[in-house]
Amino acid sequence: NAGVTQTPKFQVLKTGQSMTLQCAQDMNHNSMYWYRQDPGMGLRLIYYSASEGTTDKGEVPNGYNVSRLNKREFSLRLESAAPSQTSVYFCASSEFGGLTEAFFGQGTRLTVV
Amino acid sequence: AQSVAQPEDQVNVAEGNPLTVKCTYSVSGNPYLFWYVQYPNRGLQFLLKYITGDNLVKGSYGFEAEFNKSQTSFHLKKPSALVSDSALYFCAVRDLQTGANNLFFGTGTRLTVIP
Repeated sequence: NAGVTQTPKFQVLKTGQSMTLQCAQDMNHNSMYWYRQDPGMGLRLIYYSASEGTTDKGEVPNGYNVSRLNKREFSLRLESAAPSQTSVYFCASSEFGGLTEAFFGQGTRLTVV
Repeated sequence: AQSVAQPEDQVNVAEGNPLTVKCTYSVSGNPYLFWYVQYPNRGLQFLLKYITGDNLVKGSYGFEAEFNKSQTSFHLKKPSALVSDSALYFCAVRDLQTGANNLFFGTGTRLTVIP
């Protein structure tokens, strides 16, 4: 049972480049999330998807877009990367939103130069 | 608005001693409270949660947390610390009243257990 799988694990982008972070869960969870983790800031929610077919903005959505492709997959896209988007990105899923515990992927370390 | 505060960036404790990692929260309604642990280069792992009922919640790896409504606190505790407990600990809250379908995390507390 893989849980939550994120790809890639590491990425270096040049300013202005675009990329998509992939996330898939095999636990049949309804809700999925994208967080970014920055030193001294904890985890901040970028976007979430309460259920298949819905997405909503979190605390820090600017510069990002998401797609809930199906129940398993939730991708995060950076259309034009900026150095301020250098961070560690975590995907998570939970069975019923904030009512149940979230399971996290191992993270993607993104550097924008 | 919901918020979580972890007042200590760093906590050091000797192996075998009791440990406490502090968390206070602010919500407009009743909270759901969670503790997560993060080991180096890993994602967060769930430790325990409080939803309702007994104020003392027991979780994984011998950890427990006490919900105190009057002090709006949810401190994480363990009677006897292990070196392997050294990690980054996050408190998180969901506000039932707002219905927001996500968790708000604190900034984290780095626990170091000294052999």
